[in-house]
Amino acid sequence: NAGVMQNPRHLVRRRGQEARLRCSPMKGHSHVYWYRQLPEEGLKFMVYLQKENIIDESGMPKERFSAEFPKEGPSILRIQQVVRGDSAAYFCASSSSDGRGSYGYTFGSGTRLTVV
Amino acid sequence: AQSVTQPDIHITVSEGASLELRCNYSYGATPYLFWYVQSPGQGLQLLLKYFSGDTLVQGIKGFEAEFKRSQSSFNLRKPSVHWSDAAEYFCAVLPSGGYNKLIFGAGTRLAVHP
Repeated sequence: NAGVMQNPRHLVRRRGQEARLRCSPMKGHSHVYWYRQLPEEGLKFMVYLQKENIIDESGMPKERFSAEFPKEGPSILRIQQVVRGDSAAYFCASSSSDGRGSYGYTFGSGTRLTVV
Repeated sequence: AQSVTQPDIHITVSEGASLELRCNYSYGATPYLFWYVQSPGQGLQLLLKYFSGDTLVQGIKGFEAEFKRSQSSFNLRKPSVHWSDAAEYFCAVLPSGGYNKLIFGAGTRLAVHP
């Protein structure tokens, strides 16, 4: 029973390139959340998705960032035209319903994005 | 404004000493409460959670936490710290209403001296 799978674990991009981060939720989980952790800081909520729907994107920067969770396949966090300030660890979490069940959220190991 | 506060950014304890990490929240109703641990370069592991019932909850690795409604606190404790407990600890809340969005405190970095 694999947990939340994120790939790649490490991603290096040059300024102006695109970064695509993938998250496969736990089996049976239909809710996905993306968080960003800047160096020496806590996790900041970015977006909450269910299959084919964005429920809450209040933490997403207005430009360059987008997220999707298609009917089939992993959730994708996409960052266009990356800048140095996008360097961070991006974590994905999943839950089975509203996150208040016995297991709450399960987090992946994260993708560490470095923009050079 | 709704918030989660971890007042201590860094804490250093000696191995074998007791530990208490503080967490306070500011929400209208009692949220669901969590403690996570993050080792360097790793993801987050759930230590324990409080939804309702007994206000003293037991978690993994010998940790426990006590919910105090009157103080809006959910402090994490361990009676005897091991060197392997050195990590960053995050308190998080899931508000009881509205969309599900786990809100994290800024974290407390724990160092353990031999």
